[in-house]
Amino acid sequence: AQSVTQLDSQVPVFEEAPVELRCNYSSSVSVYLFWYVQYPNQGLQLLLKYLSGSTLVESINGFEAEFNKSQTSFHLRKPSVHISDTAEYFCAASGGYNKLIFGAGTRLAVHP
Amino acid sequence: EAGVVQSPRYKIIEKKQPVAFWCNPISGHNTLYWYLQNLGQGPELLIRYENEEAVDDSQLPKDRFSAERLKGVDSTLKIQPAELGDSAVYLCASSRGLAGDADTQYFGPGTRLTVL
Repeated sequence: AQSVTQLDSQVPVFEEAPVELRCNYSSSVSVYLFWYVQYPNQGLQLLLKYLSGSTLVESINGFEAEFNKSQTSFHLRKPSVHISDTAEYFCAASGGYNKLIFGAGTRLAVHP
Repeated sequence: EAGVVQSPRYKIIEKKQPVAFWCNPISGHNTLYWYLQNLGQGPELLIRYENEEAVDDSQLPKDRFSAERLKGVDSTLKIQPAELGDSAVYLCASSRGLAGDADTQYFGPGTRLTVL
């Protein structure tokens, strides 16, 4: 079955420290990959996506993710986090016919 | 541009009661999705509409769940009767309806349902 695995359910980190949120996908799913962010009491917002071309994709707020086909990974990174980055982050893969397969989510907690 | 609108934001009902959720997608978006998000999990697709046609309802529990999108714009998801296990967040999303899997989905804030 197609699946997306987020290896960490929670990631605590201090402000201004780097962070990596890990995501692996099963090789049977399409290679369109997404990261969504969900702030408390809000809906999911698209953070960035990989469709084709350069394997490194960036968001407007400093996050980046790299598509690694050999390792079937799409890890999300930020070199220096802010308190405002505290949220839940979901990795997703397109499973065909615009069907998104989501991971279980990683809760990023940024502490002062 | 207004985002995806959902109402109500919160709903508390007793088991065996009916409940309905409403969604208005982004203007011009032909594709509409309903997702179920259980606590501590990622969203799971319940049903997908292309205009007014349900093209993927394989994950919708049809014994108690129903959905409609009569005019191809807004949509209603209904549960009758509700069970304790239906307590979750129900998310609506929409997309333009582009061919292939590159169609970006935009999500509403969700309806948090609590069944007592």
